[in-house]
Amino acid sequence: DAGVTQSPTHLIKTRGQQVTLRCSPISGHKSVSWYQQVLGQGPQFIFQYYEKEERGRGNFPDRFSARQFPNYSSELNVNALLLGDSALYLCASSLAWRQNYEQYFGPGTRLTVT
Amino acid sequence: AQKVTQAQTEISVVEKEDVTLDCVYETRDTTYYLFWYKQPPSGELVFLIRRNSFDEQNEISGRYSWNFQKSTSSFNFTITASQVVDSAVYFCALSGANRDDKIIFGKGTRLHILP
Repeated sequence: DAGVTQSPTHLIKTRGQQVTLRCSPISGHKSVSWYQQVLGQGPQFIFQYYEKEERGRGNFPDRFSARQFPNYSSELNVNALLLGDSALYLCASSLAWRQNYEQYFGPGTRLTVT
Repeated sequence: AQKVTQAQTEISVVEKEDVTLDCVYETRDTTYYLFWYKQPPSGELVFLIRRNSFDEQNEISGRYSWNFQKSTSSFNFTITASQVVDSAVYFCALSGANRDDKIIFGKGTRLHILP
């Protein structure tokens, strides 16, 4: 069975631009969460979607938005990119929408903002 | 507020040695969940264990073992007879039991297993 997939693998953008990251969860998983992992730090929670509804939002500015599609795949959008947005963006899927359940992570999208 | 502290930033051991990764947490909740994840160079986090606050039994899975001590708010992870493939960053994480509680990760410990 396929695990969580993310695209693209790497991305280089310029300050002020917009970016869209994509995630496909494990088949049967209805919950998708997004995390930002800055170099040398642990992942930080950005959003969680379950059954196409936002179930949680971390402490990130409104430049960050996300959505979940009927097939449970998800997109994370970041507008007006800043240098500080450079990070590994991880997507995780889960059977349950509570975050105290086991989550399965994708390989991430490495975003570099120049 | 909840917090996870992994004081060891980086550890290097020679293959076949045992190594323990420390995790100390802070929470006011009486019910909570603790996790360990492994992040190999490929990037994805790999789930290792989930433990709830009411289960203080130590757990062993192959070469991996976990020591949960509520009295010291610690959830330490030991790899016995380490192998080069164990080289990775290991994260300890904490989540409350309420439906809206989110998971909080520590900063991670980078483990180098030297051949």
